Amino acid sequence: AQKITQTQPGMFVQEKEAVTLDCTYDTSDPSYGLFWYKQPSSGEMIFLIYQGSYDQQNATEGRYSLNFQKARKSANLVISASQLGDSAMYFCAMREGRGSGNTPLVFGKGTRLSVIA
Amino acid sequence: ETGVTQTPRHLVMGMTNKKSLKCEQHLGHNAMYWYKQSAKKPLELMFVYNFKEQTENNSVPSRFSPECPNSSHLFLHLHTLQPEDSALYLCASSQGSGTNYGYTFGSGTRLTVV
Repeated sequence: AQKITQTQPGMFVQEKEAVTLDCTYDTSDPSYGLFWYKQPSSGEMIFLIYQGSYDQQNATEGRYSLNFQKARKSANLVISASQLGDSAMYFCAMREGRGSGNTPLVFGKGTRLSVIA
Repeated sequence: ETGVTQTPRHLVMGMTNKKSLKCEQHLGHNAMYWYKQSAKKPLELMFVYNFKEQTENNSVPSRFSPECPNSSHLFLHLHTLQPEDSALYLCASSQGSGTNYGYTFGSGTRLTVV
């Protein structure tokens, strides 16, 4: 079963508008971390925002915020005031606790966001 | 230079060639990773190294051979590849094993096998 599901292969948003990128996850581990990365056409994966499973408040980083709904196992990324430079692939990822071992990040398939002028 | 550096950025190789991808990090991280990114597929974890020791090999074919001589350097040696191995190969590093430690990625090597 997929651990990270991103159901939107592509999204369009008007410049200066807000957009929400969906992410649901599947884990039985009570301790986990959720991450969002941006991948421009250059290929590099850029870290955007992190949410811990025990965090009480939704994470925010500048124009990025994470809408964390633990009971629904969703961790949607909200980008406010979209800019042309936000056009990229966006990946949701999770890292489970699983004891003291180094568990790797598991990624979703990504959502391609296109910002329109 | 800071961050994670991958070389070369682009590589075209024949199926009988032998080449190596290099990854270097100057962040003091103790874990390094190789991921493969093919078109329309999720990122696939290939190898994990913790303190120079390989801790995960995700059923990767033997034509891919990793090497981690120290905590700062990671190589991926390639030989007798197939056209389906054409992809973006991403290297990453992380500081620790906790769930709050994300990865820092390099810019990737775009590999084309002809």
